[in-house]
Amino acid sequence: EPEVTQTPSHQVTQMGQEVILRCVPISNHLYFYWYRQILGQKVEFLVSFYNNEISEKSEIFDDQFSVERPDGSNFTLKIRSTKLEDSAMYFCASSVGRGDTEAFFGQGTRLTVV
Amino acid sequence: GENVEQHPSTLSVQEGDSAVIKCTYSDSASNYFPWYKQELGKRPQLIIDIRSNVGEKKDQRIAVTLNKTAKHFSLHITETQPEDSAVYFCAASKVHSGAGSYQLTFGKGTKLSVIP
Repeated sequence: EPEVTQTPSHQVTQMGQEVILRCVPISNHLYFYWYRQILGQKVEFLVSFYNNEISEKSEIFDDQFSVERPDGSNFTLKIRSTKLEDSAMYFCASSVGRGDTEAFFGQGTRLTVV
Repeated sequence: GENVEQHPSTLSVQEGDSAVIKCTYSDSASNYFPWYKQELGKRPQLIIDIRSNVGEKKDQRIAVTLNKTAKHFSLHITETQPEDSAVYFCAASKVHSGAGSYQLTFGKGTKLSVIP
């Protein structure tokens, strides 16, 4: 069964450093998303991406965040200057269609900012 | 924006009993309501979803009901088993004509424990 894959599974970084989280969505999917989950809290939407541009973003997704699809398979989330409060599990997801079709989630990247 | 409230936050049931988790949403335009199961340290996985044109959907031991007037939807698990133990999240999304609102708004989750 096709899966969304994310790398790395765990990343530790120092405050102020840049991090790039990587995702390979399911190959025939057209819509890509990043969500985050702070420990013990609910999953929160960050951004959606379609046709090589951001479709929608939340207030969490400020200027420190950016997304990119550098080639036909990868989808990346960059955090320019990490803060302690960026520590969370970051999930990539993809779907064939729009917001009323199943979103498949990756296994997540646990980001720890120290 | 959309707000999804989920109750209870924790739920313990005896194996074989039923479990019910309830969610309410605020945006009457929401029309897609998935439920995700997340086992400890793993990815959220879709277990069932419902669209606003139906009131109930069932898949073996799992069922979801939707009341559009009251803006609430519920997950029902019958004959619970220990492997049902996990955190369950409800979510809501909406699709406008000609475009999509691509985000899922999640509830805070319910930790279900099934006691053997």
